[in-house]
Parts: sequence; C-alpha cells; structure tokens
Amino acid sequence: AQKITQTQPGMFVQEKEAVTLDCTYDTSDPSYGLFWYKQPSSGEMIFLIYQGSYDQQNATEGRYSLNFQKARKSANLVISASQLGDSAMYFCAMREIGGGSQGNLIFGKGTKLSVKP
Amino acid sequence: KAGVTQTPRYLIKTRGQQVTLSCSPISGHRSVSWYQQTPGQGLQFLFEYFSETQRNKGNFPGRFSGRQFSNSRSEMNVSTLELGDSALYLCASSDPGGDRTEAFFGQGTRLTVV
Repeated sequence: AQKITQTQPGMFVQEKEAVTLDCTYDTSDPSYGLFWYKQPSSGEMIFLIYQGSYDQQNATEGRYSLNFQKARKSANLVISASQLGDSAMYFCAMREIGGGSQGNLIFGKGTKLSVKP
Repeated sequence: KAGVTQTPRYLIKTRGQQVTLSCSPISGHRSVSWYQQTPGQGLQFLFEYFSETQRNKGNFPGRFSGRQFSNSRSEMNVSTLELGDSALYLCASSDPGGDRTEAFFGQGTRLTVV
C-alpha cells in the first residue's frame, strides 16, 4: 500500500509568490517522522525540513514551513517568496520509528516545481 | 564538515557485468542507507548498514548486496546487471540518536546498463 502520496506531479509558481506542495501519508505507527527533500537536476537530495509525529508546533526552516495536520495525515510544504533556484523536484518522505527502530525512508513520487520569472 | 561522497558519479556497464558503487558518509555518521531511483518506480530503499551490520533490507533480488567497513564507508554491488538496473543510486548517511534523524544524501551514482 502506498504510504506517501504526492498528488501534484508538477506545479508552476510565479517568482516571489508562495506555493504549497501537498503530501499525505499513511501509517499505523504512532511514532514517525516526516521529511521534505529537494532534488535539483544534479541529482543530490537536499534535506529541507522535518516534522516529528509528537511535535506540537509546525516546523519552520527559513522560507520553508510544514503545515502538519495529524488527524488528516497531511504534511504539506509551504515555500514562501519563491526564487528561481527553487525549481526542482520535491519529495515528501516518512520514517516509521515505533518500537525504537530506525526505519528506512519511504518516499512519495515527488512534485516538480517550476518557478517562473 | 565534508558531505556524503559517492563514487563514481557516472558509470556505463554492459548487461551481465557486475558493478561496485562506493559511499563515504559524513564523518561520525554510523548509518549508511542505499536507495535506487528510477523514473518508473521512484525512490526505493535497498538496504541500510549500521556499524558494519545490515540492519534493514528492501525488496530487491539477491543480485544487490552491500557491505560497510569499520570506517563506516559502504559499498554496494550489483551482479549480473540487467537493463532495468539503470538508475540513480543514492547513498544517505545519518547518525541515529533520536527521533529526528535526517538523512544526508550524496549526489548519487548514475548507472547506465547497455
């Protein structure tokens, strides 16, 4: 069963505007972590932001914030003031960490973001 | 601090050959995970090594194997290459020590099987 769903294969945003990339997840583990990664055309996966399942507040890292709605099992990434350099693939990922184990990352299919000047 | 280093960056191999990819994690990181990325299947977990032991394994055939050395450097090997093994292979290092264990990725090795 697919555990991470990113429903937007591609998104366009105007430079300097904000954009929301959607991510829903499915897990029965009460303890998990949610991650967003950026992958430019060079191939490297760049860590952006993390949200733990027990975190009370939404995570923020500079221009990135995570809109975490636990009951809906969604973890949307918000990028404020988009820049041309934000054009890339964006992946949502989850790690189930119940029982003290460090599980592997499970990735969504990704969203290709294109920032228009 | 140096990042995750993967070598080589690009590789072209012939069907039936074998290949070895290398990953040097961030200094001090003990966990190394490998992922395969293809346009069709997306990012799939291959295996994870921690302190020289395979701790977790994905759903890949036995042709895919790996190991980790005492300095945490890791190698993955693919034997009897098939055309479908063409992919970007990403290595990630982390230092498990809590819930927030973000993985830091290398730039990947792009393998083409012809």
